[in-house]
Amino acid sequence: DAMVIQNPRYQVTQFGKPVTLSCSQTLNHNVMYWYQQKSSQAPKLLFHYYDKDFNNEADTPDNFQSRRPNTSFCFLDIRSPGLGDAAMYLCATSRAPQVNQPQHFGDGTRLSIL
Amino acid sequence: QKEVEQNSGPLSVPEGAIASLNCTYSDRVSQSFFWYRQYSGKSPELIMSIYSNGDKEDGRFTAQLNKASQYVSLLIRDSQPSDSATYLCAVLYTGTASKLTFGTGTRLQVTL
Repeated sequence: DAMVIQNPRYQVTQFGKPVTLSCSQTLNHNVMYWYQQKSSQAPKLLFHYYDKDFNNEADTPDNFQSRRPNTSFCFLDIRSPGLGDAAMYLCATSRAPQVNQPQHFGDGTRLSIL
Repeated sequence: QKEVEQNSGPLSVPEGAIASLNCTYSDRVSQSFFWYRQYSGKSPELIMSIYSNGDKEDGRFTAQLNKASQYVSLLIRDSQPSDSATYLCAVLYTGTASKLTFGTGTRLQVTL
């Protein structure tokens, strides 16, 4: 059974039209992450939540926001998508910010911008 | 700037051979190291983790860590066509609240 679930798998939106990507987890992990991955590039961390504490990466554009209403769910909001935001968006979870805890990824959402 | 370096490949090995994937990292105080496999269009899948110097074996996979040389590798024995994928090395840097830094990955092709 999938433990980190991302919806939808594929999302198409128009330039400038807000879009929300969803992630849920059944692992009861307290840390949730959002990554952006473009073709042939490493996943790039956008932000993460440690419980309810939000941690934004310094170079994450203001266009990207996140919400975590409870332990199980986390959302990525892109307020005004540009063509450069077309990418795979990966959600991951880990048990805690401890040195030996791996991150577990969902299947990703591939975002296309028209 | 903490960095993780991998040869992008492609690394081509014949079926049944040993594939050797290498990774170097810049921060000496790093403590945790992970190898993820990523098929084209799919998300990364954790295949190995290693935390102390030496070798760690799991089935056909062996991870090797040398902290003095800041080097981590992944060996895949008896390579199969289904092993063809991109392998991402990831390093957890101490004091960064469990944030992983990924290399750009090595693309492995196992040929028949």
